[in-house]
Amino acid sequence: DTGVSQNPRHKITKRGQNVTFRCDPISEHNRLYWYRQTLGQGPEFLTYFQNEAQLEKSRLLSDRFSAERPKGSFSTLEIQRTEQGDSAMYLCASSSWDSSYGYTFGSGTRLTVV
Amino acid sequence: KQEVTQIPAALSVPEGENLVLNCSFTDSAIYNLQWFRQDPGKGLTSLLLIQSSQREQTSGRLNASLDKSSGRSTLYIAASQPGDSATYLCAVRRSGGYNKLIFGAGTRLAVHP
Repeated sequence: DTGVSQNPRHKITKRGQNVTFRCDPISEHNRLYWYRQTLGQGPEFLTYFQNEAQLEKSRLLSDRFSAERPKGSFSTLEIQRTEQGDSAMYLCASSSWDSSYGYTFGSGTRLTVV
Repeated sequence: KQEVTQIPAALSVPEGENLVLNCSFTDSAIYNLQWFRQDPGKGLTSLLLIQSSQREQTSGRLNASLDKSSGRSTLYIAASQPGDSATYLCAVRRSGGYNKLIFGAGTRLAVHP
C-alpha cells in the first residue's frame, strides 16, 4: 500500500464547468476525509465518510458540492458549476476506525478555475 | 468552538539553529494533536502524533510537546537544515466523538545555508 492517492494532481477548468476528483485511501482505513486549502491557510474540513456512509458535512460544502464513497473504497468529490472562489487545493485523508494512529493525507488536487 | 493558532507565521533562520514552533488551541478537550509538514504545492506529511495522555513525542531531530491544560504544543527542530524549509501545520482532534481535524494556518520556515 503506497498511501493515499489523489487524481488528478492538477485541474484547470473554465468557470461554470463541472469537475470530479478521486481519492483512493489506504486500504485498511475505513474513514475518509475531504479538506480544502486556500493559499496561506490551513486545510478546512469539508466532509467525512465511515465506510460508505457520509457522516458529517461542513457548511462550506454548498449544494454545488457532492461527495460519494461507493462500497466504502475510493471516494469522489464533484463540484458543479465551478466558480473562481472554488480555486484551491483539495486534500483527501484517511484513518483507521478510531484515528488512534492519526490521519494520512494524499498529495492533493490543485483546482484552478479561470 | 475550537480555534488553533500558530506563531510565528513565518521564520527565517541560518542553517544549524535550533527552532521552536508554537501551536495554541482554545479548547483543551482534545483527543490528539498532530504536526504536519507541507512543501509548496504538495500534500501534508505527518511528522508526529501526540495522544492527549502523552506529554511529548520524538522522531529524529524533531520533538513535539503537549500541555493540554494550557492549550499549547511546541515543535522543536534541532540543528536545522535547508531541507527543513517548508510549512509546518499543527492540527487538533477534539475529544467526545468528533472526527475532523482543526488546523492552524501554519508556520512557513526557511532555513538558509
